[in-house]
Amino acid sequence: DVKVTQSSRYLVKRTGEKVFLECVQDMDHENMFWYRQDPGLGLRLIYFSYDVKMKEKGDIPEGYSVSREKKERFSLILESASTNQTSMYLCASSPHSRSRSSYNEQFFGPGTRLTVL
Amino acid sequence: AQRVTQPEKLLSVFKGAPVELKCNYSYSGSPELFWYVQYSRQRLQLLLRHISRESIKGFTADLNKGETSFHLKKPFAQEEDSAMYYCARTRGTGKLIFGQGTTLQVKP
Repeated sequence: DVKVTQSSRYLVKRTGEKVFLECVQDMDHENMFWYRQDPGLGLRLIYFSYDVKMKEKGDIPEGYSVSREKKERFSLILESASTNQTSMYLCASSPHSRSRSSYNEQFFGPGTRLTVL
Repeated sequence: AQRVTQPEKLLSVFKGAPVELKCNYSYSGSPELFWYVQYSRQRLQLLLRHISRESIKGFTADLNKGETSFHLKKPFAQEEDSAMYYCARTRGTGKLIFGQGTTLQVKP
């Protein structure tokens, strides 16, 4: 069973703080993703990584950076948190190989609800 | 730009009534289409994908390339179907683009 875990369910930070959100998957997936989930806006892709140390900007990368030093771990960094980054953050992973039946299917973590005061 | 549109933010029906959650996508190449569901306090999970052509929990979705639609249907809604539903399509290698989501509320 695919397991994607996120370091915190709830997080409260102050404006200007540096924030780290961690995600770990145990299925040896090549692809990992960070999304924001906001009512009425759906899921929006922040960053995508298709391999260790490889990353690609998504649709809303401003104010965020990522790190992928190991295959199983993908970190989202808010360099200087702002109130408009208050949101639910979802991490996901998926296999890269077309030979897997779950190709293109993304498996999600439970989410981290971040509040920036 | 590639888009997925779910026109209804909220769909409210009575138990036993038919349900149709609408999804339209922008045409580009041969996308794969998905429906994801998020029940209260649970993680987002795949409900069904168009290439499987299967019925999951009584739900079906037919890909209509002419209308670029992938509507989710169930003939008789149950209270446990109440959840947030997202339609998604592939874009590029490995990535998905999601719609805005529709909250389905099934009343007793």
